[in-house]
Amino acid sequence: DTGVSQNPRHKITKRGQNVTFRCDPISEHNRLYWYRQTLGQGPEFLTYFQNEAQLEKSRLLSDRFSAERPKGSFSTLEIQRTEQGDSAMYLCASSLIGLHSGNTIYFGEGSWLTVV
Amino acid sequence: AQKITQTQPGMFVQEKEAVTLDCTYDTSDPSYGLFWYKQPSSGEMIFLIYQGSYDQQNATEGRYSLNFQKARKSANLVISASQLGDSAMYFCAMREDTVTGTASKLTFGTGTRLQVML
Repeated sequence: DTGVSQNPRHKITKRGQNVTFRCDPISEHNRLYWYRQTLGQGPEFLTYFQNEAQLEKSRLLSDRFSAERPKGSFSTLEIQRTEQGDSAMYLCASSLIGLHSGNTIYFGEGSWLTVV
Repeated sequence: AQKITQTQPGMFVQEKEAVTLDCTYDTSDPSYGLFWYKQPSSGEMIFLIYQGSYDQQNATEGRYSLNFQKARKSANLVISASQLGDSAMYFCAMREDTVTGTASKLTFGTGTRLQVML
């Protein structure tokens, strides 16, 4: 499978606990995005990386959220001290940005978070 | 201001018929891209079709075509010969390109739920 891979696919956690999601982008894709999607809504942008540099963060990304892409390959999204409002699906996407690259942004299957 | 508007929360279509899903957008950037994604109940966002703002012709991908009307700022998705497997949420999204020509993030609409009936 050469698509965007996310794990875990499902996570149930108690309020106040920390959770971490991992995303493995398509090989050689230099851009990696994180989105959050709640029921009945479209995905909302959280942050994105070009290689290992985090280029933009949304206001939605509170201090409890942190994302990393240390070697420019896989990325992690950590949520500290989870709250019930964090319950959502977290989507990762990747793309190749360059002179002769295409325009497609590919998404993973998402990681569902339920905070109880 | 909302940048992507999908006014149809839900649509029904008979199998084998064509259906149009509406999308309007708002941007002042001359360079941008418009995308359509399909999201089945499993959650994965499946890329369907892309239209660049400078593309002269409407994009087509198999049974999917994008009716791009730049002056009206609309980018409607047309699905021909609907199949039961087309039942899903459909999202329109826009990517605005920066002044340096670098593509930035996608902004999504609220989606349209399509139900294909026998």
